Amino acid sequence: DGGITQSPKYLFRKEGQNVTLSCEQNLNHDAMYWYRQDPGQGLRLIYYSQIVNDFQKGDIAEGYSVSREKKESFPLTVTSAQKNPTAFYLCASRSVWGASTEAFFGQGTRLTVV
Amino acid sequence: EDQVTQSPEALRLQEGESSSLNCSYTVSGLRGLFWYRQDPGKGPEFLFTLYSAGEEKEKERLKATLTKKESFLHITAPKPEDSATYLCAVQAWDYGGSQGNLIFGKGTKLSVKP
Repeated sequence: DGGITQSPKYLFRKEGQNVTLSCEQNLNHDAMYWYRQDPGQGLRLIYYSQIVNDFQKGDIAEGYSVSREKKESFPLTVTSAQKNPTAFYLCASRSVWGASTEAFFGQGTRLTVV
Repeated sequence: EDQVTQSPEALRLQEGESSSLNCSYTVSGLRGLFWYRQDPGKGPEFLFTLYSAGEEKEKERLKATLTKKESFLHITAPKPEDSATYLCAVQAWDYGGSQGNLIFGKGTKLSVKP
């Protein structure tokens, strides 16, 4: 089945530690996105990529980094510079060709600082 | 600035009590408007895409409509399994602003009691 897979589902981070969230898609989509979701805040865009080896900062990129070495993969690293990383992280992908197209989401990773 | 506002923040209904959720938007040029359903701890699930004023889409008990300034998600005779958070997102043609990315509202949390 085609879709987006995020792993792990739950992740715990110690103070000062970097952690990486995985996102893989087999939908052959060019564009991939990372969102952060906090209670009452809605979805906020962290980073996005519309083509391999290129990515752009979203609205809240500070303390995060990404890479896009393959079309199928868009991992997100939460660095120690991110002071409040506890949140629900969502990865999405969509086609960028033709009429406006919907984004498809993974099931999310819940990150907690311990 | 492109913006999406959803109301109400929360809505409690009795089973069978029909109602509507509102999504107001301000964009330089609407390319598409999307409705999603999100269950707790899960990623958003795509429901509808609307492209132009006057357009309507239906799926089971849900009907989405679009005007030049807002969209409504009508829920007819809801059941407890319709309980979820409903998200609205827009995509603009303005590549100098939001870069064609989806802009999300904060969602409406719907609870349907038996």
